[in-house]
Formats: sequence, structure tokens, C-alpha cells
Amino acid sequence: SQQGEEDPQALSIQEGENATMNCSYKTSINNLQWYRQNSGRGLVHLILIRSNEREKHSGRLRVTLDTSKKSSSLLITASRAADTASYFCATFLSGNTGKLIFGQGTTLQVKP
Amino acid sequence: NAGVTQTPKFQVLKTGQSMTLQCAQDMNHEYMSWYRQDPGMGLRLIHYSVGAGITDQGEVPNGYNVSRSTTEDFPLRLLSAAPSQTSVYFCASSYGVSGKDTQYFGPGTRLTVL
Repeated sequence: SQQGEEDPQALSIQEGENATMNCSYKTSINNLQWYRQNSGRGLVHLILIRSNEREKHSGRLRVTLDTSKKSSSLLITASRAADTASYFCATFLSGNTGKLIFGQGTTLQVKP
Repeated sequence: NAGVTQTPKFQVLKTGQSMTLQCAQDMNHEYMSWYRQDPGMGLRLIHYSVGAGITDQGEVPNGYNVSRSTTEDFPLRLLSAAPSQTSVYFCASSYGVSGKDTQYFGPGTRLTVL
């Protein structure tokens, strides 16, 4: 089974609302990254949080990391229709393994 | 910079045919990787490379070969295509040899095996 599991699989909200996506993982990590994918396109990096960090912000994005629970969350505040996309967490395993493992993703729909 | 480029964008193969998916980057990145994306499965790592001449297996390497003769190029070969290899393939690269940095993705190759 995959390292990262995301919840929910799909999320539908109104423009202006906040969207929260969660990611859980199984083994020790060096860092955790969030990516966005618009339909039919490649993935775009959003934010990276290291294992010794608990929270990071980037514009309307807020990411938290709880290594004791092996989980992370991505919060998008004041969502816009343009935020409609799939969002993936990816974990880089400890021990310099060279492997970045992706979760299954959350599909977010923001209705105007 | 063109970033990460992939060719072709679309490909249809018959079972048993072979082909090579091309990936190139012009950012002088040491780390390159190949993923496949299937509906409901997210991205799964096929092979990766931490530098020219060095490759290693990812989560789903069977049926695929790679080589890394230059820093810029990382082709993925399907020796005998199977319908189970129908998928969208993404190439990615990152600065540094560990692969733990921000990944830059190509636009993808959509492969159908009949």
C-alpha cells in the first residue's frame, strides 16, 4: 500500500470558504511536500515542510505537520474557483532513500 | 529555460510493442525520476536517478527500463508493452542528488496500450 493516504478523496466547497485536506503516512520522513495538479496537467510544487517544522505558510496556504501522529494538513483559506484542482502530499523517506512517495490525492472543487 | 520536457505527448501502442518515452531537463538537476499516474492511484514511482550513470528502482519498476547517460536526459523504455501499462507518465527532476527537494514535473505522456 502507498506511504501517503489522503482524506477526503473529494471535497466540494463554495468560493470564499476554507478547504482542509489531510495526509497520513506510515514511516519516518525527512520532509513532506504538497503539490497541485490541474486537470490534464503536470504537478506543481506548493510547499515543503521539514520533519523538524510544525507549521508553514505561503500566501493563502497553511501546512501543519505532526510527526507523532504521522499526519499533515493543507489549509487553503478564502478559496477561489481557480483553486479547483487535485492536491497531493508526497513524503521523502528518512535515510536518504532517494524516493519521494505520493499519496492518492484530494480532488477539490470550488464552486463560484 | 524550458524546464522538464517530455515527448511524445500521446502514444498508442499494441501489446508487445516497445517504445521509449523521452525526458529532458535543462536546469542541471542531478535527480530525475519517472512516475505513472492511474485513476484513483495517485502517482507511483517507477525508477529514479541521482546522477549520470546511477539509476535505482522505485515502487513499480517491473516492465520498465531506464538509463542515465547524461545529466540532461532520462529515457524510460517499455520493452514489451502490456495493457496494464496504459497510464499517464510523468518525469520529474530536482536540484541535488537526494531527491528531497522541490520536484519539477514535465507535462506528461498519455500512453494507451491496446
